[in-house]
Amino acid sequence: AQTVTQSQPEMSVQEAETVTLSCTYDTSESNYYLFWYKQPPSRQMILVIRQEAYKQQNATENRFSVNFQKAAKSFSLKISDSQLGDTAMYFCAFSNSGYALNFGKGTSLLVTP
Amino acid sequence: EPEVTQTPSHQVTQMGQEVILRCVPISNHLYFYWYRQILGQKVEFLVSFYNNEISEKSEIFDDQFSVERPDGSNFTLKIRSTKLEDSAMYFCASRANGSRSGNTIYFGEGSWLTVV
Repeated sequence: AQTVTQSQPEMSVQEAETVTLSCTYDTSESNYYLFWYKQPPSRQMILVIRQEAYKQQNATENRFSVNFQKAAKSFSLKISDSQLGDTAMYFCAFSNSGYALNFGKGTSLLVTP
Repeated sequence: EPEVTQTPSHQVTQMGQEVILRCVPISNHLYFYWYRQILGQKVEFLVSFYNNEISEKSEIFDDQFSVERPDGSNFTLKIRSTKLEDSAMYFCASRANGSRSGNTIYFGEGSWLTVV
């Protein structure tokens, strides 16, 4: 069974600063997908970024980027120029091709003025 | 941008009552999912549905739960006899077929179920 571990239950960052959220996973598969979802206080699940395991290049979406280390089974999320609206719970998630998402327990990020 | 829509947004029900949560997935998607999030906990997979049948389910998805796609657009989750521990946010999600979407699963805004 695949497991996803987020070792930081809570983090805080000042506005305009950079923060990195950690995620590790365990799998024996070679083809899979990794995701970061954001859950603001409204509790909606919003896709932030995704990474295909077969791609060596790290995914980037505007201020959000990942550091994907396949051998280490690590998938961290970097948020640059943090904004107050980034305050949310962030979930790392894993999916084998064609199968359901397996989520980590989440990291609560607070962006302060 | 197309989105997954869910109704109701919030429902309060008495223990033992039946509840139906409704979802309209993104129109060209073929895989449909229900997830659950108990307050303060992580999001848990319940069931996936493809080609008019369940393709995968978790141990949470016992005989109290059922899913149905009664027409070409709706996807429903039925809880036959609700228990207090069924209180949670229920997320519907959908995914297109093929690798172009990157296997991305898109979520609805959730239905918050409170069992009293």
